[in-house]
Amino acid sequence: KQEVTQIPAALSVPEGENLVLNCSFTDSAIYNLQWFRQDPGKGLTSLLLIQSSQREQTSGRLNASLDKSSGRSTLYIAASQPGDSATYLCAVRPQGYSTLTFGKGTMLLVSP
Amino acid sequence: DVKVTQSSRYLVKRTGEKVFLECVQDMDHENMFWYRQDPGLGLRLIYFSYDVKMKEKGDIPEGYSVSREKKERFSLILESASTNQTSMYLCATDPIGGPKLFFGEGSRLTVL
Repeated sequence: KQEVTQIPAALSVPEGENLVLNCSFTDSAIYNLQWFRQDPGKGLTSLLLIQSSQREQTSGRLNASLDKSSGRSTLYIAASQPGDSATYLCAVRPQGYSTLTFGKGTMLLVSP
Repeated sequence: DVKVTQSSRYLVKRTGEKVFLECVQDMDHENMFWYRQDPGLGLRLIYFSYDVKMKEKGDIPEGYSVSREKKERFSLILESASTNQTSMYLCATDPIGGPKLFFGEGSRLTVL
């Protein structure tokens, strides 16, 4: 059974820092991996999606990478801002199935 | 953009009451999902549906049922609410094969 782990569980940084969030998964037979953002009390918003054949995806200050062989993905946030404060979750979609497996998330706090 | 609407953002119910949570999507997606999210446990899949009148159990279906009479609407039903069903409930949708999953804003249910 696929397991997804996110480290660290919480992270606090000053504004302007570049930071990396980590996601690892146990079964490399994935269809894609998706990073989400969740603000307190709200639903999840999709940030980036990486297909299994891709190595990375970029959107603005966000860059997500995927190393299937090692079962790892990273979300890189450049020049962090207080508005980036949220919980970030990764989820993997296995080959042949529709349901995603989610990590428990990393709660990020960016201080002014 | 995909719009996923959950009819109630906040509900307070009493033990034993029947509870309906509704989710409506506007993008003609085949797949719809109900998750619950609890601190320390992350997102857990309750039920999902591939098509009208089709339903599949997720990881924690006990105490819940679902209804999908129309493609755009997926309802989660708690036949007899219990205090351990106090949680944030999230509806999501995507087309067959993905790739992206889209979430509603969530419904926070408190059972007293």
